[in-house]
Amino acid sequence: QQQVKQSPQSLIVQKGGISIINCAYENTAFDYFPWYQQFPGKGPALLIAIRPDVSEKKEGRFTISFNKSAKQFSLHIMDSQPGDSATYFCAAGTAGNQGGKLIFGQGTELSVKP
Amino acid sequence: EPEVTQTPSHQVTQMGQEVILRCVPISNHLYFYWYRQILGQKVEFLVSFYNNEISEKSEIFDDQFSVERPDGSNFTLKIRSTKLEDSAMYFCASSRTGSNNSPLHFGNGTRLTVT
Repeated sequence: QQQVKQSPQSLIVQKGGISIINCAYENTAFDYFPWYQQFPGKGPALLIAIRPDVSEKKEGRFTISFNKSAKQFSLHIMDSQPGDSATYFCAAGTAGNQGGKLIFGQGTELSVKP
Repeated sequence: EPEVTQTPSHQVTQMGQEVILRCVPISNHLYFYWYRQILGQKVEFLVSFYNNEISEKSEIFDDQFSVERPDGSNFTLKIRSTKLEDSAMYFCASSRTGSNNSPLHFGNGTRLTVT
């Protein structure tokens, strides 16, 4: 119930291509879905987040698509660049003023080839 | 931009020893968290802390673990008697309000190696 399943585990994309990472969840109480980017030796950094009242959110080259009925959400990176090479984690959480607990997916190691 | 700082960056300890991992959250943040990441695995929630008490803890956060905010700036995680399986990267995070409008900011982590 608390799991967030992420795929693929690793992804290789050519520069300029589209990177797509998928996540699925089971707990319908989740209402906050962030994506984090992690470079080696660094902590996760928030990239973009979405709430279930919208089906898509775009920030620059990064887009989250959200399918509430299927309990799935995905990250699309348009025009992928070598600097995007990192590990990406989806996560899910619930609202609340004493919250902030996130359930993370397993991570996707993205490599963008020049 | 303010950031969460963690010390040390790497801690090596022998099994059975006590370790204290230190964190300085962002100054106007009120909610504090510890997460851990075993090598190559996902980031896992350990504990959240607000108003000088634990808000929530995971199954991982057993009696060997404790957290403390000893002063107005530091937030610590103590492991009383370390086990080999405690070897992981430990991330401290903080949030201004703890709600979805105030995202988590993570530090760069402390790599704990238990030998």
